[in-house]
Amino acid sequence: NAGVTQTPKFQVLKTGQSMTLQCAQDMNHEYMSWYRQDPGMGLRLIHYSVGAGITDQGEVPNGYNVSRSTTEDFPLRLLSAAPSQTSVYFCASSRLLAGTLQYFGPGTRLLVL
Amino acid sequence: KNEVEQSPQNLTAQEGEFITINCSYSVGISALHWLQQHPGGGIVSLFMLSSGKKKHGRLIATINIQEKHSSLHITASHPRDSAVYICAVNQVQGAQKLVFGQGTRLTINP
Repeated sequence: NAGVTQTPKFQVLKTGQSMTLQCAQDMNHEYMSWYRQDPGMGLRLIHYSVGAGITDQGEVPNGYNVSRSTTEDFPLRLLSAAPSQTSVYFCASSRLLAGTLQYFGPGTRLLVL
Repeated sequence: KNEVEQSPQNLTAQEGEFITINCSYSVGISALHWLQQHPGGGIVSLFMLSSGKKKHGRLIATINIQEKHSSLHITASHPRDSAVYICAVNQVQGAQKLVFGQGTRLTINP
């Protein structure tokens, strides 16, 4: 099993550009989520999904869009990149039952100029 | 005040020392997680606790639900234990959503 995979590993964008961060898992997990990690801020939840076709906002959703058309994939879209979105992005997945282990992807480092 | 507080924020110790990292939370939880992140690396789940104590190798995690406190202990610390250790909780209302502490940066010198 590959676990949770993310692409790309590193990306540089110009302000105003759009892009999609890819996340996929092969563990048949219902719950998937996106976090951003900034120095001194800890991890913050952007969006999450409890199953295909169901998504909801987390703590910091502005400027990001998600969809969940399949159980495996949960892409994160930056609609119009801003320097404030420079961060490291992690995708995670788990079973839906509360209190089960979460599995994290390797992260995507994004720099917006 | 953050809902999940960790202490210390930074910890430097010598190889072989016994390490303790603390996590306090202010909300009702269904579970608490300890995560490890090596420099420039991904995040790995170490433990998930809802009560009592768990042990894996040289790592021990405990939780006291009444005091809303958890500790992560490392026995016979080694330089490869150098990492950021993150505490996170599942709130009672919020299912799988995690609330994270700021992390504790641990450095073990040889």
